[in-house]
Amino acid sequence: AQKITQTQPGMFVQEKEAVTLDCTYDTSDQSYGLFWYKQPSSGEMIFLIYQGSYDEQNATEGRYSLNFQKARKSANLVISASQLGDSAMYFCARDTGRRALTFGSGTRLQVQP
Amino acid sequence: DVKVTQSSRYLVKRTGEKVFLECVQDMDHENMFWYRQDPGLGLRLIYFSYDVKMKEKGDIPEGYSVSREKKERFSLILESASTNQTSMYLCASSPNSGIKETQYFGPGTRLLVL
Repeated sequence: AQKITQTQPGMFVQEKEAVTLDCTYDTSDQSYGLFWYKQPSSGEMIFLIYQGSYDEQNATEGRYSLNFQKARKSANLVISASQLGDSAMYFCARDTGRRALTFGSGTRLQVQP
Repeated sequence: DVKVTQSSRYLVKRTGEKVFLECVQDMDHENMFWYRQDPGLGLRLIYFSYDVKMKEKGDIPEGYSVSREKKERFSLILESASTNQTSMYLCASSPNSGIKETQYFGPGTRLLVL
């Protein structure tokens, strides 16, 4: 199975600072997509950002940006100006080519005031 | 907005019971998925369906079955619940409009098997 690795089980960040959540992936495909989801304590999965393997520019969505380094097979999520509401689990995922997603084990982010 | 609903937020069942988890989406999506989420393991795909009456096994189908009789509804069935099926179950749906389409998730069902 093509694996997604998130090496940070937990992270702390001060409010208003930036934080980077790491994600590396296995793949032998040329074309693939990478996703980041946020899961607050309420449990719902919220889509944050998408990066296609052929996209020339790193994806950005508001305070979220994706630091995509294709040769290193990494797709790190950068959250700028952290807010208390950013405290949640964050999951990196990639498509499997069968319309489903493969997820990493997640990173729990806690934003401190 | 896309809405994916799941029949229960919390469920407590006994070992050996047959358990039905229901998922309904209102956006006419072709694809529907069932994942289970366990601490430290992320989400793992149990089954998915890309059309009515069609299903495919995911990474961990053992002990589960699914049913999709209508496009909007995808059911996960635990034929004989066991304690190792205590978990959070998440349903998702997505359209067939290409690789960029994300999946939309329901709120999840926390199942406890005693």
